[in-house]
Amino acid sequence: SQTIHQWPATLVQPVGSPLSLECTVEGTSNPNLYWYRQAAGRGLQLLFYSVGIGQISSEVPQNLSASRPQDRQFILSSKKLLLSDSGFYLCAWTLGANVLTFGAGSRLTVL
Amino acid sequence: DAKTTQPPSMDCAEGRAANLPCNHSTISGNEYVYWYRQIHSQGPQYIIHGLKNNETNEMASLIITEDRKSSTLILPHATLRDTAVYYCIVPPRNAGNMLTFGGGTRLMVKP
Repeated sequence: SQTIHQWPATLVQPVGSPLSLECTVEGTSNPNLYWYRQAAGRGLQLLFYSVGIGQISSEVPQNLSASRPQDRQFILSSKKLLLSDSGFYLCAWTLGANVLTFGAGSRLTVL
Repeated sequence: DAKTTQPPSMDCAEGRAANLPCNHSTISGNEYVYWYRQIHSQGPQYIIHGLKNNETNEMASLIITEDRKSSTLILPHATLRDTAVYYCIVPPRNAGNMLTFGGGTRLMVKP
């Protein structure tokens, strides 16, 4: 069966520090991968999606970036975090339908 | 996405049916209706989807009106664990599997 892993689950980072969140999917090949963010009390915002290795599309311009170095690995990064980057980051995958499977999420607090 | 309108919140007594409405009057003929839910501090979870026929699975039933301008998600016997935000989504056919989550309905199941 397919599983999706995200880590770290929680982290607290100072403003201006770098960020790396990792997501891996097991049990499937060539999935579509997504990064969403949910700020406190807000809705889900699609940040990036990828249909294949090295193929990244950005939905919202910001100081975040994403990479897909391997078929089932999706990484969210920042060189310098802002206070507004705080939130709940969710990775998701699908094989091409609109049925997304989400990971457990990574809760980021920027101080 | 076709615009969807949901009540911001609803209450339901435990053991009773929860009926969550969604208005999608601008839906096109080939667009599906998807429902997800998000329990607090977790990632969204797919529930059900449909085009024009009513659908049922182990989690819920989806009733779509004949003109397809609205739908209702039914949880037949709500439990406390069904307390969550429920999202009704109508992604356009050319969305590339990119789902946009709106505000949803916050369902509170009360004992």
